[in-house]
Amino acid sequence: DIQMTQSPASLSASLGETVTIECLASEDIYSNLAWYQQKPGKSPQLLIYYANSLNDGVPSRFSGSGSGTQYSLKINSLQSEDVSIYFCQQNYDSPPTFGAGTKLELK
Amino acid sequence: QVTLKESGPGMLQPSKTLSLTCSFSGFSLSTSGMVVSWIRQPSGKSLEWLAAIDWDGDKYYNPSLKSRLTVSKDTSNTQVFLKITSVDIADTATYYCARSGPFSRDVMDAWGQGASVTVSS
Repeated sequence: DIQMTQSPASLSASLGETVTIECLASEDIYSNLAWYQQKPGKSPQLLIYYANSLNDGVPSRFSGSGSGTQYSLKINSLQSEDVSIYFCQQNYDSPPTFGAGTKLELK
Repeated sequence: QVTLKESGPGMLQPSKTLSLTCSFSGFSLSTSGMVVSWIRQPSGKSLEWLAAIDWDGDKYYNPSLKSRLTVSKDTSNTQVFLKITSVDIADTATYYCARSGPFSRDVMDAWGQGASVTVSS
């Protein structure tokens, strides 16, 4: 299975700040990378697919980038509703695998 | 509007078979490219993809659990089922069903609310 390593495991930031979450795949996944947001007590929701494509309805302050084995999720101008756990997931090879998650909190 | 909802027993004993149902609306599983997947999440932990079934009835399983999993769908293509045999305490988790297909077979763009399952004697 392809291993997905996320960093940091947790992150504390202030409103209006820009934050970046990293995801490293154990092998080249050719941009087959999705990001999910999971708010407390809720199910995950798709934010980004194909590394940098924004899902419908997702605010433009979210963006994704990367290639090969290294990917990142950037949140500009952090809002209170962005407090969540963020997961990356590769969909290049089966089984699809997820990172351990990054917990984003407000400072 | 795409909606999915999982249902299950809530609690069951070790060694029993877990049966889960995913009822969905807002899309048709008979549409080419559509897929319904099962993913689970132990409390406080990450997500683990379990299995999927596509519009054509093809089934996909996580090799680590394949011997214990069976995914199926009903003939009306409005429900998908997952059975896990010989459950253990380690199978305690929230089980989600999710739709994929519009972007990729394994990119889940709509999720159910989850069904909590506890395995305990």
